[in-house]
Amino acid sequence: DAKTTQPNSMESNEEEPVHLPCNHSTISGTDYIHWYRQLPSQGPEYVIHGLTSNVNNRMASLAIAEDRKSSTLILHRATLRDAAVYYCPEGTSYGKLTFGQGTILTVHP
Amino acid sequence: SAVISQKPSRDICQRGTSLTIQCQVDSQVTMMFWYRQQPGQSLTLIATANQGSEATYESGFVIDKFPISRPNLTFSTLTVSNMSPEDSSIYLCSALMVNTEAFFGQGTRLTVV
Repeated sequence: DAKTTQPNSMESNEEEPVHLPCNHSTISGTDYIHWYRQLPSQGPEYVIHGLTSNVNNRMASLAIAEDRKSSTLILHRATLRDAAVYYCPEGTSYGKLTFGQGTILTVHP
Repeated sequence: SAVISQKPSRDICQRGTSLTIQCQVDSQVTMMFWYRQQPGQSLTLIATANQGSEATYESGFVIDKFPISRPNLTFSTLTVSNMSPEDSSIYLCSALMVNTEAFFGQGTRLTVV
């Protein structure tokens, strides 16, 4: 199964934008790009997903490259509560997700 | 959205024994999955829990070690059999309805001694 690649860690300051990158070098044409985040001792929490077009919701924005080989999760104003491990799994339309190693996001006050 | 409850939330078990983890969803869902998250690692899919039939296992996971049941649209169990310390992990249940995102339970933290 294909796995995504992400930076091991990133840092941000509170109230600044954060751009989290993800490479999807072997993504299939029908798999969706998802983003989840996981706080300590909790299950992953859904953030956003898309197929080809950029997507926005109340939590974040998702920018997908034209060739779909990369995506970027954008947190417009980071807060301390956004500190988590961020994953960008690829997934089938029926929910099967393939996770990579994730990015640990640290947000400084 | 769906709320997923897992029981137990954590357990410490003796090697050679088995533990059954329950996953209850508060609404009818289409798909249910079981994942494993080893210490400090990402999530790995164990299997898809199919309602009324045998689960579909991913490479590296077998039914004898991880038997799974799904008797209806809202409930599934995962058993970790004949446990060894290498089975110490967090086990997570996931579920989704048609054309929705996947929701995850809080996980079951298993320690095998």
